[in-house]
Amino acid sequence: AQTVTQSQPEMSVQEAETVTLSCTYDTSENNYYLFWYKQPPSRQMILVIRQEAYKQQNATENRFSVNFQKAAKSFSLKISDSQLGDTAMYFCAFVNMDSNYQLIWGAGTKLIIKP
Amino acid sequence: EPEVTQTPSHQVTQMGQEVILRCVPISNHLYFYWYRQILGQKVEFLVSFYNNEISEKSEIFDDQFSVERPDGSNFTLKIRSTKLEDSAMYFCASSEALSNEQFFGPGTRLTVL
Repeated sequence: AQTVTQSQPEMSVQEAETVTLSCTYDTSENNYYLFWYKQPPSRQMILVIRQEAYKQQNATENRFSVNFQKAAKSFSLKISDSQLGDTAMYFCAFVNMDSNYQLIWGAGTKLIIKP
Repeated sequence: EPEVTQTPSHQVTQMGQEVILRCVPISNHLYFYWYRQILGQKVEFLVSFYNNEISEKSEIFDDQFSVERPDGSNFTLKIRSTKLEDSAMYFCASSEALSNEQFFGPGTRLTVL
């Protein structure tokens, strides 16, 4: 069975600092995608960044970047120059592109950016 | 920019009542999904839908749940006889293809009293 683990229930940093959220996953598949979603207090689910497993290059999206270590099954999210608006729950998610396409979610990390 | 919409944003119902949660997926998308998030817990997959039939469903999606695409735009989730434990945020999502990103709606908060 595929699982996603986020070991940090909550993190807190000062504005403008860099923060890294960790995520590990377990799968025997080779064709999969990984995602980080942000859920602000409004509870809307917003895609932050996506990584295709076949790509060796780490995905980046402005201040957001990932460290994808396929052999270690690790997929961490780095937020640079953090802003107050980054305060949210962050979920790591996995989808197997060869079978059922349902997103498998981690438990989430609550990130608080302090002024 | 096209987006997935959901109505209502918040629904309060009595235990045992039927509820219908509505979603309007992005217009050119073909694959539709429902997920649930009980407060403080993980997001859980409920069901995926394509070509007017269920593609996949989880163990949570029992006989009390059903989905329907009653017309060309709406995608609904019906809970026949709500239980207290059905209280959760329900997210609808859609994608253009199975391999494409799933776009999420803002969610419907269901409270069962």
